[in-house]
Amino acid sequence: DVKVTQSSRYLVKRTGEKVFLECVQDMDHENMFWYRQDPGLGLRLIYFSYDVKMKEKGDIPEGYSVSREKKERFSLILESASTNQTSMYLCASRTGGRYEQYFGPGTRLTVT
Amino acid sequence: ELKVEQNPLFLSMQEGKNYTIYCNYSTTSDRLYWYRQDPGKSLESLFVLLSNGAVKQEGRLMASLDTKARLSTLHITAAVHDLSATYFCAVDPNRDDKIIFGKGTRLHILP
Repeated sequence: DVKVTQSSRYLVKRTGEKVFLECVQDMDHENMFWYRQDPGLGLRLIYFSYDVKMKEKGDIPEGYSVSREKKERFSLILESASTNQTSMYLCASRTGGRYEQYFGPGTRLTVT
Repeated sequence: ELKVEQNPLFLSMQEGKNYTIYCNYSTTSDRLYWYRQDPGKSLESLFVLLSNGAVKQEGRLMASLDTKARLSTLHITAAVHDLSATYFCAVDPNRDDKIIFGKGTRLHILP
């Protein structure tokens, strides 16, 4: 089975802090994604990556950056966390040979 | 702006009944996905529909795609409590992984 893991299930940070959300997949998938999920809004794509050191902006990249130094790891960075970034963050991965994405368990981030 | 609209957004139904969730999208796409999310859990892929007229079935769930009408349906047959979850449809109109999700349909099946 594909396994996508995220470093924390729950995280509480203060406004202005730098926040790192880590995602690791163990199936050698080329493509990795970061979404945020908010009630009534569904999932929205923040950033994605097709390969190491590559990144593409999604629909809502403002306030976020990403890093992909190794194929299996994709990090989401909040340079200066704000309260409107309180959300559930979901990481996903996909191999080039299949269409569906495999999601991690999510990190519920609260910024106070 | 591409929109993906699901209808209904909330559905409460009795076990044993049939029902359909609708997913309309506003621009051409021949890639449509259905995902399931259980409360507090992550998303699980249910179906990938890649062409007009595609139909896929898994147990009590059947999904179909009409690209001309820009409509996909998820049909539930003889619902059971275990199917209670939130169901999302999503499209990838430009085949570039910039997937647009609907807001989800929260399905509650009463025993």
